[in-house]
Parts: sequence; structure tokens; C-alpha cells
Amino acid sequence: AQSVTQPDIHITVSEGASLELRCNYSYGATPYLFWYVQSPGQGLQLLLKYFSGDTLVQGIKGFEAEFKRSQSSFNLRKPSVHWSDAAEYFCAVVGASKIIFGSGTRLSIRP
Amino acid sequence: DGGITQSPKYLFRKEGQNVTLSCEQNLNHDAMYWYRQDPGQGLRLIYYSQIVNDFQKGDIAEGYSVSREKKESFPLTVTSAQKNPTAFYLCASSSMASGRANNEQFFGPGTRLTVL
Repeated sequence: AQSVTQPDIHITVSEGASLELRCNYSYGATPYLFWYVQSPGQGLQLLLKYFSGDTLVQGIKGFEAEFKRSQSSFNLRKPSVHWSDAAEYFCAVVGASKIIFGSGTRLSIRP
Repeated sequence: DGGITQSPKYLFRKEGQNVTLSCEQNLNHDAMYWYRQDPGQGLRLIYYSQIVNDFQKGDIAEGYSVSREKKESFPLTVTSAQKNPTAFYLCASSSMASGRANNEQFFGPGTRLTVL
């Protein structure tokens, strides 16, 4: 069955520190993968997507993600976080007829 | 500006009442979706539609109904049969390039429904 796992429910990092949010997926074929961000009380905004090609994907707001087929992972990274990055982050994989979302990781920023 | 609008932003309902949440998009997308979001549970798919006058149940369709009479509109009705309707509801849309729902979904700002 297709699934997405985000093992970290809540992460706190200091402003200016690097960030890595983990995402593992289960999918039989080549997956289509997304990372979305959600500010409190708002809808979701696409950060980046992977369909094929280069396994290191650049997104908006200085985020990047690396697709690793051997590890079934699509981790999100940012070299230096800003207070405005505090939000909830969702990883998602395209299934047969719908997108399957992970349960999300809440990111808090320590001043 | 192209996008998805949802109304109202906040909605209060008495027990036993049906309420309808509005979702409109002007992105010319074929597919539209309704999700329910509860704290710590991510997004759960309620219904989706890939073409006008057709829709499919998602993972938690019980107590909900939808219609798709126009490409731009996909209203969701929360019926009195939904036992725990208090939640944040998100509408989304996507194109159906190559006939697959494999494109990114664009989300509306959401409606917070509270049952009194």
C-alpha cells in the first residue's frame, strides 16, 4: 500500500541553524513527491516537487530536498532557518488517483 | 489573480444542522478535492472529483456529501450524520495533465467549522 511517514511530530531548531525534516514513502513505482508548508490557520503552499531527473530538488524559500530511492526517503533541508519558517510541513506522494499526505512535522524556531 | 477561494472562513453549526462549505477555483483545473484536518492527523481525503458531474468517495466520506455541477465549484455539505464535524476543512484543485492526478494540488485558505 502507498504511504508516507514523517517520523518527527515536532522539531525545534535555533534561528540560523540548519534543518532537516524526514520523510519516508512506500510506493511500488517511481514516486511523484511533494513537500508542502502550512502556516497556522492557512492552506498549504507547495515548497517543491520531484517527478524525475535530478534527485536534488530546489524549492522556494531556500528549501531543497533529496530523493533517495535506496532509502525510500525524500528529506527536506534548509541550511539556515529563519523565524518565519515556523510552520507545519507535509510530505506527500502521488498514489493511483490521489495524493497521500504524511501526518506532518511542526517546526518551531528558537530565537 | 488565479486561485482557490473558500467561504466562509469560520462557520458555527448547531448539532443536527446541515451546513455547506463553498469552494471555487478559477485555475481551470479539472480535479477538485476536499480534506479534513484535525490536530496531529494531517490531511484526510473526504471526496474528490476529476470531472464535472462525477465524484468519488475518499477515506472518510461518511456524513458528507458533495456536488460538481460546474467545473469551477465543488461545495461540501456536512450533514447531521457526521458525528464529529468540528475540524478545519481544506479544498484543493489540480490539473489532470496526461489524464493522471499527478500534478501539484493548489489549496484554498480553509474553513474552520465548529459545532456548538
